[in-house]
Amino acid sequence: ETGVTQTPRHLVMGMTNKKSLKCEQHLGHNAMYWYKQSAKKPLELMFVYSLEERVENNSVPSRFSPECPNSSHLFLHLHTLQPEDSALYLCASSQSLLVSYEQYFGPGTRLTVT
Amino acid sequence: GENVEQHPSTLSVQEGDSAVIKCTYSDSASNYFPWYKQELGKRPQLIIDIRSNVGEKKDQRIAVTLNKTAKHFSLHITETQPEDSAVYFCAASSNNQGGKLIFGQGTELSVKP
Repeated sequence: ETGVTQTPRHLVMGMTNKKSLKCEQHLGHNAMYWYKQSAKKPLELMFVYSLEERVENNSVPSRFSPECPNSSHLFLHLHTLQPEDSALYLCASSQSLLVSYEQYFGPGTRLTVT
Repeated sequence: GENVEQHPSTLSVQEGDSAVIKCTYSDSASNYFPWYKQELGKRPQLIIDIRSNVGEKKDQRIAVTLNKTAKHFSLHITETQPEDSAVYFCAASSNNQGGKLIFGQGTELSVKP
């Protein structure tokens, strides 16, 4: 598959569970992002990585833990989430952080916390 | 930091009419302004973008205009079709922000046949 892929597409988890979201980009990009999209709200930037190095953490609670093992893969580890964390989690990538470029989004993971 | 305001939040038009969505930004250093379209249940996709060295850009039925002095930019869709129904997001970015996009709140466009 080309572009940006995300797995799983849907996830239901209890508040005491631990799960991980996976993102992979096949575009040769150097920057990757995690966004949270809640109903009726704008896209909220959570984390930014450039060449596997985290360059931004937008005051995200520690129950969300990102990992970027290489420039093609990005994970979001989840633990002890709250019901208000239910949302669509979107991964995106762009060519570089040096210049503003188009961001390519994945299809998202629809997360429900029960 | 940058703040992007988008209006209206919802917009309903008849098929064939034009639709205009407006955004304002606060950071005068912003120099890249993309527009994304997100259909129901799908990922946001870029439909058009403009950089601060031009005032207008057009692609078939879609155009974007930029007024740097007033710090606002607009999306214009002409001859709207039902398949234009979606949520549209504007965004702003500057090179000194590391390419980070700040998104507006989104506009839900409904085109009625």
